[in-house]
Amino acid sequence: EVQLVESGGGLVQPGGSLRLSCVASGFTFSSYWMTWVRQAPGKGLEWVANIKPDESEKYYVDSVKGRFTISRDNAKNSVYLQMNSLRAEDTAVYFCARSIAVTANNFDYWGQGILVSVSS
Amino acid sequence: EIVLTQSPATLSLSPGERVTLSCRASQSVSGYLAWYQQRPGQAPRLLIYDASNRATGIPARFSGSGSGTDFTLTISSLEPEDFAVYYCQQRSKWPLTFGGGTKVEIK
Repeated sequence: EVQLVESGGGLVQPGGSLRLSCVASGFTFSSYWMTWVRQAPGKGLEWVANIKPDESEKYYVDSVKGRFTISRDNAKNSVYLQMNSLRAEDTAVYFCARSIAVTANNFDYWGQGILVSVSS
Repeated sequence: EIVLTQSPATLSLSPGERVTLSCRASQSVSGYLAWYQQRPGQAPRLLIYDASNRATGIPARFSGSGSGTDFTLTISSLEPEDFAVYYCQQRSKWPLTFGGGTKVEIK
């Protein structure tokens, strides 16, 4: 059974940092693109970042470029999102998700989500 | 950035009814459009990818169509578990973008 479990969220002050982790199981992690998608309270979905299986390609939404870094450790079946210089508008539930093999940029399995709150 | 506009924002329907949801792109996305369902308090679920391909395990009552800038998701007969929010998503160009969602609620 495919499972994705996020951790590392919480309350942080503006300008602070957090590192989200997502541990995967039930599939060959090293073969799949992985992504982070976020959802602000009561709002829609926003794609944040993608990473290729070998880390050779990474993509970000403009609003997080230069502040967030996506990475992965295939030996640990984990993907990470390092978030620096956090702003109030980064407050959201963050989901990690697996890209489907056929398209790479659609997402078939999702974690339960982790809340990040940026507030003083 | 490609903007996806979903309409209507909310639909009030009864179980058993047929529903058609719309997603319009600000520029052509070819056939690279997907649909997701999100129930309250849950993660999204992939329904359709590349306009018309059902994802693994998705019931046949869900179907997708369209190309270019205009796409539809059709649910042939609403089941109680189908009352949820539906999002479209394009993978034609970076950044990947989602539509604002359509809420299908019980009438």
